Amino acid sequence: DQQVKQNSPSLSVQEGRISILNCDYTNSMFDYFLWYKKYPAEGPTFLISISSIKDKNEDGRFTVFLNKSAKHLSLHIVPSQPGDSAVYFCAASAGGGSQGNLIFGKGTKLSVKP
Amino acid sequence: DTGVSQNPRHKITKRGQNVTFRCDPISEHNRLYWYRQTLGQGPEFLTYFQNEAQLEKSRLLSDRFSAERPKGSFSTLEIQRTEQGDSAMYLCASSFSPGEGYGYTFGSGTRLTVV
Repeated sequence: DQQVKQNSPSLSVQEGRISILNCDYTNSMFDYFLWYKKYPAEGPTFLISISSIKDKNEDGRFTVFLNKSAKHLSLHIVPSQPGDSAVYFCAASAGGGSQGNLIFGKGTKLSVKP
Repeated sequence: DTGVSQNPRHKITKRGQNVTFRCDPISEHNRLYWYRQTLGQGPEFLTYFQNEAQLEKSRLLSDRFSAERPKGSFSTLEIQRTEQGDSAMYLCASSFSPGEGYGYTFGSGTRLTVV
């Protein structure tokens, strides 16, 4: 049973527009959420995180929104750039930020077209 | 510091053979993690260390798998009597403890192919 779900395997967006990647979770014990970006032949790279005590965290072009009641989070990328084309993974932990064990979704492949 | 280093990058082995992978974390990081990723899936947690102590192991880590971090620096992951189902990308990551705010730093992984 998947505890972290990314239901869209792929997303295509025009350069300069907004990319919205979605993630749902089922475990109410999760209290820390992260997004990672992965290019082919490389390991995942940390992008942004959010604690369950917040509903929004922003870092440059990247914003993560958390809706605890819906057990849903989303990553917004504005404006999208061709270099953002990668697989994006949502991850969650119940460690309060100590991150002993992250549960990852299956990923969403983002393609940003020039 | 060049980040998290994993060796080898690729390993092809025959079924039944033993393999060992090495991970060198970022030197200041006291936590080290092993994950496994198969095609179309996200990384799956295997185990993690804080310094030399192995604090958590997933049930995915069968008796054929063993991980060590003898001096709290580099770590090795050994798979004995490999099976075709062990074919995957094995990812190592490291972090500070606690790590809130910036996540793990992953290495580029070791791709294992069991033939």
